[in-house]
Amino acid sequence: DAKTTQPNSMESNEEEPVHLPCNHSTISGTDYIHWYRQLPSQGPEYVIHGLTSNVNNRMASLAIAEDRKSSTLILHRATLRDAAVYYCILSPNNNDMRFGAGTRLTVKP
Amino acid sequence: GAVVSQHPSWVICKSGTSVKIECRSLDFQATTMFWYRQFPKQSLMLMATSNEGSKATYEQGVEKDKFLINHASLTLSTLTVTSAHPEDSSFYICSALQGRDEQYFGPGTRLTVT
Repeated sequence: DAKTTQPNSMESNEEEPVHLPCNHSTISGTDYIHWYRQLPSQGPEYVIHGLTSNVNNRMASLAIAEDRKSSTLILHRATLRDAAVYYCILSPNNNDMRFGAGTRLTVKP
Repeated sequence: GAVVSQHPSWVICKSGTSVKIECRSLDFQATTMFWYRQFPKQSLMLMATSNEGSKATYEQGVEKDKFLINHASLTLSTLTVTSAHPEDSSFYICSALQGRDEQYFGPGTRLTVT
């Protein structure tokens, strides 16, 4: 399985942008980059996914490096409700999701 | 978005008893459902993949006779923890796949075995 590396934790101030990095130097050509987040005592929530091009949705933006060996999840204006563990997952399809340790995001008011 | 529910949200059972957890896709049909387990302060670990009408595929190290999975319909999968022990206490989370879309996760079931 292709592995990802994320910082254990990050802090952000409320209403400021947050850039959550993910390194995946062994990504294969068919791997999609998926991002999920998990709030305390809840199931994971889908955030965004992409293959090569940058992606935007109502929750976040995903910036993918040209060589695809890294990506960044961008929350444009962090809110207290964005405090969660964010997981970056590589998978060629939606059938095989392996969760790593993720990044615990703390949002300070 | 697609909604997945789990029942119960929490359960306490005595050691040696069995407990069943239900996972339902409420507004879509899911040909594939997944079961994960999450211990405190750890990440999710995939336990098994369940396809409607066929036997589940278990991950290495997961006892299929202990964790019985049934996916009898396109909207329901059940996980039965048989002869539960305190070490089975965990947060059990299911997810459902809608076509080629993303996996949608349930809210989780917290199992405590006393």
